[in-house]
Amino acid sequence: DGGITQSPKYLFRKEGQNVTLSCEQNLNHDAMYWYRQDPGQGLRLIYYSQIVNDFQKGDIAEGYSVSREKKESFPLTVTSAQKNPTAFYLCAARGRLATNEKLFFGSGTQLSVL
Amino acid sequence: QKEVEQNSGPLSVPEGAIASLNCTYSDRGSQSFFWYRQYSGKSPELIMSIYSNGDKEDGRFTAQLNKASQYVSLLIRDSQPSDSATYLCAVRSGGSNYKLTFGKGTLLTVNP
Repeated sequence: DGGITQSPKYLFRKEGQNVTLSCEQNLNHDAMYWYRQDPGQGLRLIYYSQIVNDFQKGDIAEGYSVSREKKESFPLTVTSAQKNPTAFYLCAARGRLATNEKLFFGSGTQLSVL
Repeated sequence: QKEVEQNSGPLSVPEGAIASLNCTYSDRGSQSFFWYRQYSGKSPELIMSIYSNGDKEDGRFTAQLNKASQYVSLLIRDSQPSDSATYLCAVRSGGSNYKLTFGKGTLLTVNP
């Protein structure tokens, strides 16, 4: 899926547990994004990062955290504060050029609660 | 909260017909408009982008934008069963931060 690798494909979380979703890209893109998708719903923005060591909250950041220590990597941690974490999580990347507005998506991680 | 609204469907059309998908948005400062296709269980893929008023054609797909009415649509001509998917409208608002707001999507089914 366009050089974005998400892992694992499926993840199960126990009550009170933090889990981390991996997102790695080999596109050399500056901007990276995390979206959440619930069944029958569109994508909602959790966090985004436009450059290394910088990130901003999206529309539904509560209960999530991210880091951007390397250009290639943008992991998402779903904390125990997120009470309804079951969803399909999508990571995306976008190039720097103003004319390059295409988001490249990973194949997604389905997170479920045990 | 900037909003992007789509009819959730499902929209059902016979093979060979024209499928018409509609989207409205709330932010008048929006700059860029996109249609993504998403097959069940898969990630979205970009099929059309449009930036100025009018029509933009790419093969069987035509995107239409009317900024005054805050309306963007996607027409699929000669619909094929392989077009059956959820179509997501996405809008980039104005400002320096690049953020896309997605609609909930319209499920299209093309019947053979």
